[in-house]
This record gives sequence, structure tokens and C-alpha cells, in this order.
Amino acid sequence: EPEVTQTPSHQVTQMGQEVILRCVPISNHLYFYWYRQILGQKVEFLVSFYNNEISEKSEIFDDQFSVERPDGSNFTLKIRSTKLEDSAMYFCASIHTFMNTEAFFGQGTRLTVV
Amino acid sequence: GENVEQHPSTLSVQEGDSAVIKCTYSDSASNYFPWYKQELGKRPQLIIDIRSNVGEKKDQRIAVTLNKTAKHFSLHITETQPEDSAVYFCAARDNYGQNFVFGPGTRLSVLP
Repeated sequence: EPEVTQTPSHQVTQMGQEVILRCVPISNHLYFYWYRQILGQKVEFLVSFYNNEISEKSEIFDDQFSVERPDGSNFTLKIRSTKLEDSAMYFCASIHTFMNTEAFFGQGTRLTVV
Repeated sequence: GENVEQHPSTLSVQEGDSAVIKCTYSDSASNYFPWYKQELGKRPQLIIDIRSNVGEKKDQRIAVTLNKTAKHFSLHITETQPEDSAVYFCAARDNYGQNFVFGPGTRLSVLP
């Protein structure tokens, strides 16, 4: 069964450093998402991406965050200058088409900012 | 934007009993309502979903009901088993975009 894959599974970084979280969505999917889950809390929407541009973003997704799909397969989330409060599990998700609305989640990247 | 509330935040049931989790949403234009199960340290996985043109959907021990007028939907798990223990999230799709808004989650514990 096809699945969304994320790398790395765990990343530890110094406060102020840049991190890039990588995702490979399911190959024929067209809509891509990043979500964040702080330990023990709800899954929070960050950004959605379609047709090589951001469709929507939440207020969490400020200027420190960016996304891109550099090569038609990878979908990356960059945090330019990490803060302690960025420590969370980051999930990538993809959807085949807008009407086929099941979202498939990757296994997540646990980001720890120290 | 859409706001999804979920109750209870924690739920403990005896094995074999039923569990019910309720969610409300704010945007009357939302039309797709999935339920995700998240086991400890794992990704959320879809267990059942319902679209706004349907009032109820069932899949073996799991059912979801939707009341569009009241803007609430519920997950029903019958004959609960220990492996049903997990955090369950409801979600609603904002009809003005592709964003899914998640509820805060319910931690279900099924006691043997």
C-alpha cells in the first residue's frame, strides 16, 4: 500500500538553527499539507500546497516557515531560525484530489529544539 | 474559520462496552468529517469518515452519525477491545479551502 514517508524521524537542533523536514507524498496525490502536534496536544494545521504554491496557511505559519516542492516528489518544510516552542511532531499529509478527501499522513518527524 | 470542539477529552470504558465521542463544528459550509485514530507515537490514521449528504455510516464496530442542523457528529465504537485504546481526533473540512481542522482529541482507554 502506498504511503507518505518523512525524513528524518527525529531531529535535534540548536535554537536559532535552520531545519528542513522532508516528505515524499503518495505519487499521484495533488494536495499536500504540513501539520504540527505539540506533545499531548491536538494536530494543528500549518499549510496546504497545491499546484506548486501555498493554498492556505495558518497563523502559526509565519515568516520563519517556508515550503517547497523542489523536484516533483519531495515536499519540504523549512524553519529558518528555530525556537524552543517549535519542538513538536511534524506530520506531512497528502490527498489525491480535492473531492477524494481522505488525507494520508506520514509517520512524522519529531523536532527537538535545544 | 472553522472551529471544532470535541468531548470528552478522556474516556475510560470496560472492554465490551460502547464508547461515544462527540464533536461540534462551527462552519455550516463544512461538508466532510473524518475520524482519525492515533496510537502512541504513531501517525493519525483514518478510521471512518462521513460526508454531509449522509446522516450515518457504519463499518463493523465503528459508526459515525452527523446532525447537520445541530452541527455535530459523533463516533460510536461498540464491543470495545483493548486495541481500541488510542487518541481519537475528529476533523472537519473547511469548505472554502482544503484545510482540515482537527478537534483537540479524546484519549480512549479500554480496560480489560
